[in-house]
Amino acid sequence: QSVLTQPPSVSGAPGQRVTISCTGSSSNIGAGYDVHWYQQLPRTAPKLLIYGDTNRPSGVPDRFSGSKSGTSASLAITGLQAEDEADYYCQSYDSSLSGWVFGGGTKLTVL
Amino acid sequence: EVQLVESGGGLAQPGGSLRLSCVASGFTFSSYAMSWVRQAPGKGLEWVSGISGSGGSTYYADSVKGRFTISRDNSRNTLYLQMSSLRLEDTAVYYCAKDWAVTPYFFDYWGQGTLAAVSS
Repeated sequence: QSVLTQPPSVSGAPGQRVTISCTGSSSNIGAGYDVHWYQQLPRTAPKLLIYGDTNRPSGVPDRFSGSKSGTSASLAITGLQAEDEADYYCQSYDSSLSGWVFGGGTKLTVL
Repeated sequence: EVQLVESGGGLAQPGGSLRLSCVASGFTFSSYAMSWVRQAPGKGLEWVSGISGSGGSTYYADSVKGRFTISRDNSRNTLYLQMSSLRLEDTAVYYCAKDWAVTPYFFDYWGQGTLAAVSS
């Protein structure tokens, strides 16, 4: 049971827009701690996708965007491409656990 | 180019020990926090432990506190994870991850991972 809750799976057709939610609580996202997102392609290590709620590292396409409100955050992917098929994880800090926490992960399928 | 190369994984018995290493290159190692993140087979990511750039502060997930010890040798650009009293549920790929800051915050570079399997 992850501290940050993500939907197990989402799907969309090429060119469409999908969003992945990350729901926390008052001890993590709701406390103002930043949310970060990672993409894990099959059989590879995770890769940083979004940091500090909304920022993209160099090299990440602007099709990927992040947002946060209250105790939740979201990752949006527009212009869906086959290469976006991967697992996506949110991450933040939890003051009750005094540690860094990940969401359970969301598998994105491109139809 | 940032590179993180883990080693030391393998098979251990329940109650046994393993020591993981991660050699870093391409950045000023002592200026950044480092963490270990694991992924059990078919499961999601779990942060395990972190250490500040100087090594003066260490952090552990409750699941490993008292059993695992994180350390670093800044002269050798190497991060370690000493794992003791291993349990079946410690079986996972262990990733070494570079942090963006001098204390843990988020992870901007990851190694390829090393598999630690605990089985009798």
